[in-house]
Amino acid sequence: QVTLRESGPALVKPTQTLTLTCTFSGFSLSTSGMCVSWIRQPPGKALEWLARIDWDDDKYYSTSLKTRLTISKDTSKNQVVLTMTNMDPVDTATYYCARTQQWLGYYFDYWGQGTLVTVSS
Amino acid sequence: DIQMTQSPSSVSASVGDRVTITCRASQGISSWLAWYQQKPGKAPKLLIYAASSLQSGVPSRFSGSGSGTDFTLTISSLQPEDFATYYCQQANSFPPLLTFGGGTKVEIK
Repeated sequence: QVTLRESGPALVKPTQTLTLTCTFSGFSLSTSGMCVSWIRQPPGKALEWLARIDWDDDKYYSTSLKTRLTISKDTSKNQVVLTMTNMDPVDTATYYCARTQQWLGYYFDYWGQGTLVTVSS
Repeated sequence: DIQMTQSPSSVSASVGDRVTITCRASQGISSWLAWYQQKPGKAPKLLIYAASSLQSGVPSRFSGSGSGTDFTLTISSLQPEDFATYYCQQANSFPPLLTFGGGTKVEIK
């Protein structure tokens, strides 16, 4: 049974760095073809893909946010970590992590429940 | 980056209606397209991948079609549990900079 769960602060101040952790089970990021992405959704708005890390440690970032994002993994802990620097109120959103199986294509077949991050002083 | 444009942004329909949602890519993406359903307060759920493949466990009233730049999600007979927001997502392979459409809200008429 595949599960993913996001964790991190609910509130951050402008200019601070956000660190989110995705803890998953039911699959391994050391298995060929497995990938985990971060996706966010501002309140009432559409989904936005942020970053992806692959089983072989390849990393990909949104063009518009790549200077602010870092994604990493700890395979032994079944965790993926996303950091986003210089947070701004427009970054207020629900942040999701989701799995991709590369053989299926770059689609998200399992998602976490999401964590709401509010940026405010 | 590839832009995805969905239409309409919202649609009002009744139970039993046939509903069609379209998604257009700013450049050709072959069949690298998925559709998701999202209910309020919940994570999106994968319905269709590779433009027309039904994800396991998804009812057969959902279907997808299209290739290149124009895609369609069809709900053949709308059920009460189908009132939700639907998103398309392009998954063109390299570089894999993934993008979603703006969403279509299916509302009760």
